[in-house]
Amino acid sequence: DSGVTQTPKHLITATGQRVTLRCSPRSGDLSVYWYQQSLDQGLQFLIQYYNGEERAKGNILERFSAQQFPDLHSELNLSSLELGDSALYFCASKSGVPLPNTGELFFGEGSRLTVL
Amino acid sequence: DQQVKQNSPSLSVQEGRISILNCDYTNSMFDYFLWYKKYPAEGPTFLISISSIKDKNEDGRFTVFLNKSAKHLSLHIVPSQPGDSAVYFCAASASWSGAGSYQLTFGKGTKLSVIP
Repeated sequence: DSGVTQTPKHLITATGQRVTLRCSPRSGDLSVYWYQQSLDQGLQFLIQYYNGEERAKGNILERFSAQQFPDLHSELNLSSLELGDSALYFCASKSGVPLPNTGELFFGEGSRLTVL
Repeated sequence: DQQVKQNSPSLSVQEGRISILNCDYTNSMFDYFLWYKKYPAEGPTFLISISSIKDKNEDGRFTVFLNKSAKHLSLHIVPSQPGDSAVYFCAASASWSGAGSYQLTFGKGTKLSVIP
């Protein structure tokens, strides 16, 4: 158990709909990351939050948005869903200690989104 | 542009033999490298890492080698066990990109099958 909790584990929805994925990081971790894993693809970095502030953006579509709340949990909002958005969405967290080279991220079990 | 490449999508090895998983990177700013293991229906879990100041790091049956001049790293598993069957992701980071800003760039993964 990594200590990172993601809900829901599975989600089936239709094209054009909007969904929200939720992540609770490990206790005390300030950084939250969202990654997308599509079929035959690696883990694509979407966005990072650190203590409530957006710190880095990757290949995140404009239809997607995220936020990190004061209690450090994060939500990833996916709107106007398309078939190609079907994927595993992983949340990961990391401690806030700004030391280089302590670099592991702790991943949740993922939320599997299926868009029909 | 894929900065971390795992060119072998899959690898099959006999139980007890050595498994060698390879990874190449293109970004010269990367100075910390990690391997993650992922079982189906689970999130990736950290396996082993190496800093660019080293060329080898060992942890039990797992050894990671880094060749900076070739921008290449490899993960050796000796001896391989059936429980090692999983997808292995190579990841890389630049140690310092601003306070609270830290990212891992992942390869697409190599599926290892250890045959009993």
